Amino acid sequence: GNSVTQMEGPVTLSEEAFLTINCTYTATGYPSLFWYVQYPGEGLQLLLKATKADDKGSNKGFEATYRKETTSFHLEKGSVQVSDSAVYFCALTYQKNSGYALNFGKGTSLLVTP
Amino acid sequence: GAGVSQSPRYKVAKRGQDVALRCDPISGHVSLFWYQQALGQGPEFLTYFQNEAQLDKSGLPSDRFFAERPEGSVSTLKIQRTQQEDSAVYLCASSRTGQGVNEQFFGPGTRLTVL
Repeated sequence: GNSVTQMEGPVTLSEEAFLTINCTYTATGYPSLFWYVQYPGEGLQLLLKATKADDKGSNKGFEATYRKETTSFHLEKGSVQVSDSAVYFCALTYQKNSGYALNFGKGTSLLVTP
Repeated sequence: GAGVSQSPRYKVAKRGQDVALRCDPISGHVSLFWYQQALGQGPEFLTYFQNEAQLDKSGLPSDRFFAERPEGSVSTLKIQRTQQEDSAVYLCASSRTGQGVNEQFFGPGTRLTVL
């Protein structure tokens, strides 16, 4: 089946620290991969995506590379800010009867302290 | 509209009550999805519409759950005879087309608490 496993949180970092949140997936075929972010009190927002192997998605200083050989899509940021505190979800798409649905990991909570 | 909206934002129901949750997708978006997010978990797929057609409802946990989108725009998720295990945040998402992989835009969710 299709599933996503991401590292458990919470992750606590000081401002300007380097961030890695690990995500690995199991899928039949070639899914697209996503990172969504959920800020406190807000809905899920797409952070970045990659649609094929070796693609790198990037946005707001965050990056993730679609690694088919290791079935991974780890999220990284070189220098986190307090405003990055949120819950991060790794997800993949899979086909559902003429459409595509998202299969999410459990989420990783990030707290960045000043 | 500017984004996906959902109402109510919070709903408290007594066990056994029926509830109806509304989703207004982004205008013109063809596809609409419902997800259930339990506390501390990621969202899980419930059902999917393309226009007014419900193409997949394999994620609905029981026959107490029913969703509709009669005119291909607004959608309602109805839960009959609510149980405590139904307590969760219910998320609605829409995407522009039904073809290929398109970004899904999420609403803020409805937090349902069943007492």
